[in-house]
Parts: sequence; C-alpha cells; structure tokens
Amino acid sequence: DGGITQSPKYLFRKEGQNVTLSCEQNLNHDAMYWYRQDPGQGLRLIYYSQIVNDFQKGDIAEGYSVSREKKESFPLTVTSAQKNPTAFYLCASSVTPGLTGSEQFFGPGTRLTVL
Amino acid sequence: GENVEQHPSTLSVQEGDSAVIKCTYSDSASNYFPWYKQELGKGPQLIIDIRSNVGEKKDQRIAVTLNKTAKHFSLHITETQPEDSAVYFCAALVAEYGNKLVFGAGTILRVKS
Repeated sequence: DGGITQSPKYLFRKEGQNVTLSCEQNLNHDAMYWYRQDPGQGLRLIYYSQIVNDFQKGDIAEGYSVSREKKESFPLTVTSAQKNPTAFYLCASSVTPGLTGSEQFFGPGTRLTVL
Repeated sequence: GENVEQHPSTLSVQEGDSAVIKCTYSDSASNYFPWYKQELGKGPQLIIDIRSNVGEKKDQRIAVTLNKTAKHFSLHITETQPEDSAVYFCAALVAEYGNKLVFGAGTILRVKS
C-alpha cells in the first residue's frame, strides 16, 4: 500500500528532552510538510521541504528542527527550546505542485505529550 | 500573507438535512482551495478541492462553490449521514509561494440521527 506513515502514534517526553518524530512516505512525492494541530485551531505549518537536502521554515518553526536526507523521509525534532510542545503533529506530502497547487496527503499523526 | 477564516466553528444538523460551511481568504492570488475531513485521532483526508478557474465543483453529496470577487468559498453537504460527523477544514494556497496551505480553524459537524 502507498501512503504516509508516522511513528510513534503516542509519545511522552519529559521537560528538557529532545524528541524526534518519524515520517516516511512511499508515494514518490517531492514535497513534505510538518504541521502542528492544537485543540480548536487549524493546522499550522512548522517546516516544509520541496526537494531532498532543502527545507524552509513555516509559520511556527521556533523550537523545531528537520532534515531531508532522503526523498522518503522527513523527521521532525522537537527540541527543549519549544516552550509548549504538547500537541498533535501531522506530516504530509505532495507532488511538485507547479503553479496550480496539488493535494497534500496526510499521515495518521503523532500525539506528543510533555510530562 | 494569506489568512483564512472559517465559520461556523460547530454545526449540528439532523440526518438528511444539508450542511454549509463557509470560508473567506485574504490573498487574491490564492488559486487552490481544498477541503479536508478529519475524524477523531486521524490525519485529515481531502474530500474535494477547487481551483480558481472554476466556480463550482460537485462530487456526489458534496459540492464546493468559489466566489473570487468576494474571496470566499463554501462546502455544501446534502443528505447528511451520521458518518459525515467529523471536523472539516478549509484551506487556501498561493502556488507561487510554494505548495503551502493556510488552513481555517475547522468546523465540528455533528449529524444527529
């Protein structure tokens, strides 16, 4: 089956610890994205990557870092600098959009809780 | 940058009735408008999208309308069923800025049987 996988589904972290969320896709998509979702709010873009070895900050990048060493993988690290990391994190991917936009496919999400 | 507002935040309808969710956007350069459905604990799934060169698009019980002049677009669900209960998000995209979607805050739809 083609799709996007995220792991783990649930993650608990102590304050002051870094944690890395996994995102893998086998859709052969060039672009990948990380969003954060908080209750009562829409999805907010953390980082995105349109090609391997390149990525850009989204609207709320502070306290997060990413890498894009392989086309299939776009891991997100939540660092201790992120002041309020408890949230639902969603990864997405899309084909290279051109000038007309294209569908983003979402993974099942990782719920991160800071204890 | 783009800003998307979505209304209402919650919507309750009786099974079989219609549901309408409305969104407005700020950037006139936006040219792609998807709607996503998210069930509890899952990632969003695209249910319908519309591009700026089209005024209306329909897929079975779901339709989307776009008014570029007024900068708003709406999702219409007819003959609602209990399985339509979910959170619905609209989004807008300016393709020249990369494939970056800006999402509305979401609408919780409850279909009562």
